[in-house]
Amino acid sequence: GNSVTQMEGPVTLSEEAFLTINCTYTATGYPSLFWYVQYPGEGLQLLLKATKADDKGSNKGFEATYRKETTSFHLEKGSVQVSDSAVYFCALTKGTSGTYKYIFGTGTRLKVLA
Amino acid sequence: EAQVTQNPRYLITVTGKKLTVTCSQNMNHEYMSWYRQDPGLGLRQIYYSMNVEVTDKGDVPEGYKVSRKEKRNFPLILESPSPNQTSLYFCASSPTSGNSLEQYFGPGTRLTVT
Repeated sequence: GNSVTQMEGPVTLSEEAFLTINCTYTATGYPSLFWYVQYPGEGLQLLLKATKADDKGSNKGFEATYRKETTSFHLEKGSVQVSDSAVYFCALTKGTSGTYKYIFGTGTRLKVLA
Repeated sequence: EAQVTQNPRYLITVTGKKLTVTCSQNMNHEYMSWYRQDPGLGLRQIYYSMNVEVTDKGDVPEGYKVSRKEKRNFPLILESPSPNQTSLYFCASSPTSGNSLEQYFGPGTRLTVT
């Protein structure tokens, strides 16, 4: 079945450091891929998405590129801030016969130190 | 304001006492879904609904029921709660236009079953 694997955390960085959070997936065909962010005590918010191979999603300085050949969707940011501290979830959805199950990774906690 | 609301936000109950968690969205979204979030397991989809009167199982449907009688509401029913259903529950909704299914999440309901 479909699955998402993302790197375990926590990831601890100093402010202005470069961030990479790895995400790989298993799915037949061409799923849509997402990164969601969860700030403490809140629900998840969509951070960025990509719906086809080689698409690059971007938002708030974060980027991720849909790589079909490596089945990956790694999240990157060039310079993190303390306010980026949160849990990040990689996810996919893949329509089969007109229905859409949603699969999330286990989440990666990011801590950014001033 | 466009939003997904859940009630109650916190609930402590006893084993076997039926309960319902309500979910409502005001964005006229076709797709709605329930998730549970557990440490180390990320988010797991319980049930989802593509539209009124159309529901389908996610990855962890056992012990839960849902109904979709109106487009805006998608209640989650636990007929006989057990301690292993202690978790943080999220409702989400999504438009289905464009096929990307980017989701909008509610604030969460923390359920404790003793």
